[in-house]
Amino acid sequence: KQEVTQIPAALSVPEGENLVLNCSFTDSAIYNLQWFRQDPGKGLTSLLLIQSSQREQTSGRLNASLDKSSGRSTLYIAASQPGDSATYLCAVGDDQGAQKLVFGQGTRLTINP
Amino acid sequence: DTGVSQDPRHKITKRGQNVTFRCDPISEHNRLYWYRQTLGQGPEFLTYFQNEAQLEKSRLLSDRFSAERPKGSFSTLEIQRTEQGDSAMYLCASSFVIGVPRITNEQFFGPGTRLTVL
Repeated sequence: KQEVTQIPAALSVPEGENLVLNCSFTDSAIYNLQWFRQDPGKGLTSLLLIQSSQREQTSGRLNASLDKSSGRSTLYIAASQPGDSATYLCAVGDDQGAQKLVFGQGTRLTINP
Repeated sequence: DTGVSQDPRHKITKRGQNVTFRCDPISEHNRLYWYRQTLGQGPEFLTYFQNEAQLEKSRLLSDRFSAERPKGSFSTLEIQRTEQGDSAMYLCASSFVIGVPRITNEQFFGPGTRLTVL
């Protein structure tokens, strides 16, 4: 059974810092990996998707990497801003028919002005 | 707005009542997923549809839960005889998948329906 772990559970940093969020998964047979942002009481916003054959994806100040063999992904946020404060969720899509997402518990990020 | 929509956004009900939620996916998407998220946890998969066919159900989906997707368009999730343990955010997601080659299957989520069972 696939298990996804995100470390740390919470992170508080001053504005302007670069930061890294970590995600690990136990089964390397994945179809893809998605990083999401969730604001309190809201739905999920897709940030980046990495296919299993890819190593990284970039969007603006965000860069996500994937190392399937070691079961790890990182989300790098450059020049953090208070508006980046949210919970960040990592999810792996299974390699079977459903490609359903298995989520970590998230990292709650606070950027202090 | 061409994103995934869900209705209602909030539902408060008494234990034992039936509730029904609706999800309208992105119009050209052929896959629709339901997930459940409890406080402080990541979402958990409940079930999914490919067009109108329900192809997989999680063990979390007890016999009190039923989902439909008539004509492969919108979907409904019904919970009968609600229990306090059903209180959660119910999230719907949609994606587009073709057979060969399989494309990315990026899932797009709606705003969710927050259910509170008193």
